[in-house]
Formats: sequence, C-alpha cells, structure tokens
Amino acid sequence: SQKIEQNSEALNIQEGKTATLTCNYTNYSPAYLQWYRQDPGRGPVFLLLIRENEKEKRKERLKVTFDTTLKQSLFHITASQPADSATYLCALVGGTGGFKTIFGAGTRLFVKA
Amino acid sequence: DTGVSQDPRHKITKRGQNVTFRCDPISEHNRLYWYRQTLGQGPEFLTYFQNEAQLEKSRLLSDRFSAERPKGSFSTLEIQRTEQGDSAMYLCASSRGGASGSTDTQYFGPGTRLTVL
Repeated sequence: SQKIEQNSEALNIQEGKTATLTCNYTNYSPAYLQWYRQDPGRGPVFLLLIRENEKEKRKERLKVTFDTTLKQSLFHITASQPADSATYLCALVGGTGGFKTIFGAGTRLFVKA
Repeated sequence: DTGVSQDPRHKITKRGQNVTFRCDPISEHNRLYWYRQTLGQGPEFLTYFQNEAQLEKSRLLSDRFSAERPKGSFSTLEIQRTEQGDSAMYLCASSRGGASGSTDTQYFGPGTRLTVL
C-alpha cells in the first residue's frame, strides 16, 4: 500500500540554524510533491511544490529537493526563526492523472531563541 | 478573495446522530476536497470534486459518509449514525483546478472539529 513517512520525532533546533525535514515514500509514483505548514487548530498552508522531473526548488529561506530514485524529499529552512515553529506536512499528488492527495503525518519543528 | 470557509467550526453530537458540515470554497476555484485529520496525523483524503462531479472517493469512506456539491460551488459533507471514531477535524480545501498533468495548489479552510460523545 502507499505509504509516506516523515520524521516521527519532533525536531528541536537553535535559532539561526538550518532545519532539515525528511519525507520518504513507498509504492507510489507521484506527479509532484508539496510541502505545507500547519499551526495548531488551523488548516495547512501551502509552501512549495516540486515536480517529479525537478531536483530542487527554492523560495526565500526554503529549499526542497526531490529524488524519485530514492523516493525521498528533503525540506530545508535556513536561518530558522522561532516563528518557523510549526508542523510541516509532506503531500504527494497524482501519478495517474488524478489529483488525489496523500499527506504524511507531519514533523513538528521547534526553533528555540 | 475571502478564503475557504467552513461551518460550523465546532460540533458536538451524540453517538447515532447525523451531522452535516458546509464548505464554501474560494469563488473562482472549481476543485474542492474533503479531508479528515486526527491528532498527530496528517490530513486523510476523503473525496474531491471537479465542479459538481465527484471524481474520487476514498475506500476508507464508509457508506455513512456522503458529500455533495450540487451547483459546483459550496459543498456539504454528511455523516449518518455518527460513531465515536468519527471524532476528528474535518478539513475542506479548494483549488483552481486544471488539466491532467498540471499542478494544483490547495487552499485549506479552518476546519470543523467534530466531537462524538
């Protein structure tokens, strides 16, 4: 069955450091992959999208890589700030022409001042 | 653009009762999704619509769950004969949609938190 795994443990880092979150998947060939941010009690907010034929995408302090051979995506936040503390969700989309979206369980990030 | 809205924000019901949730998508969006999320988990796909057509439905969705989008605008999700296991956050998202092979960014509403006693 299709499975997405994200760091199950919370990630604690010091302000100013780079946070790296991992998303691994099995039994799936997505058309593209997305990362979302979710704060407690709120809906997810879209951050970045990367297609299957792209290796890397950047947006301000965010960077996403996508390795379809390893079936893995890495999400980096550089110069992290306490305001970056949240849960980050990886989502896989499509692969068969449809738009069914499968989310990972998310990784909680805590950035300490 | 007022964003995706959901109503109610919170619902407490007794086991066995029926509940209905409403989602109003962003006005120009033709695709609408429903998800369920429990504590510590990511959103779990339930179903999605392209305009008024329901294109895919999760096998996890039992026959107690039904969703409609009659005019291709707002959508309702009904749960019949609620069970305690139905307690969760129910999220709605919408997107502009596009042809197969295009990308699709989803904008989420605040969710409806359901508690079944």
